Amino acid sequence: AQSVTQLGSHVSVSEGALVLLRCNYSSSVPPYLFWYVQYPNQGLQLLLKYTSAATLVKGINGFEAEFKKSETSFHLTKPSAHMSDAAEYFCAVSLNRDDKIIFGKGTRLHILP
Amino acid sequence: EAGVAQSPRYKIIEKRQSVAFWCNPISGHATLYWYQQILGQGPKLLIQFQNNGVVDDSQLPKDRFSAERLKGVDSTLKIQPAKLEDSAVYLCASSPHGTGAGELFFGEGSRLTVL
Repeated sequence: AQSVTQLGSHVSVSEGALVLLRCNYSSSVPPYLFWYVQYPNQGLQLLLKYTSAATLVKGINGFEAEFKKSETSFHLTKPSAHMSDAAEYFCAVSLNRDDKIIFGKGTRLHILP
Repeated sequence: EAGVAQSPRYKIIEKRQSVAFWCNPISGHATLYWYQQILGQGPKLLIQFQNNGVVDDSQLPKDRFSAERLKGVDSTLKIQPAKLEDSAVYLCASSPHGTGAGELFFGEGSRLTVL
């Protein structure tokens, strides 16, 4: 069965610093991969998705992620953190376009002034 | 375009009581999902509907949870009787097509506290 593992339940970075949130996946077939963001008291919102096209995926708010098959990873990055990026981030996987989406446990991102 | 609507936003009940949550998906979205998000964990799929048919309910505790989507539009999730471990946020999401390549649109959630 497919799954994702997010390394670090909490990550703190200074404003203006690089953001790196780690995600490794497990899948028997080439997966579809997603990053969702959840702001306090809100539902989840899609940041970006990988669906077997370009391995470097650009999303909203300056975020991007790179699919690395050899490392089974899909890490999320942003060159310069902003205070408004403070939220919880979820990596997710699906086997195909009709399969259910499985979420990781999430990483809470804290931005230090 | 209106988003996914959920109600109530907050509910506090005592164990063994019953509760119901309502979800109205985005107009035209054929697929509707209910997820359970326990504090500190990622969302866990409870049930997926395609129009008014159930696609996946393998993780729905059927002895106490039930869900329906009459007429293929809005949906209700019911818990009876509630247990302490049911305390969670219940998220409804919709999609215009199957998952995977599609994007899920989430509501703000219904937070349940069972005392």
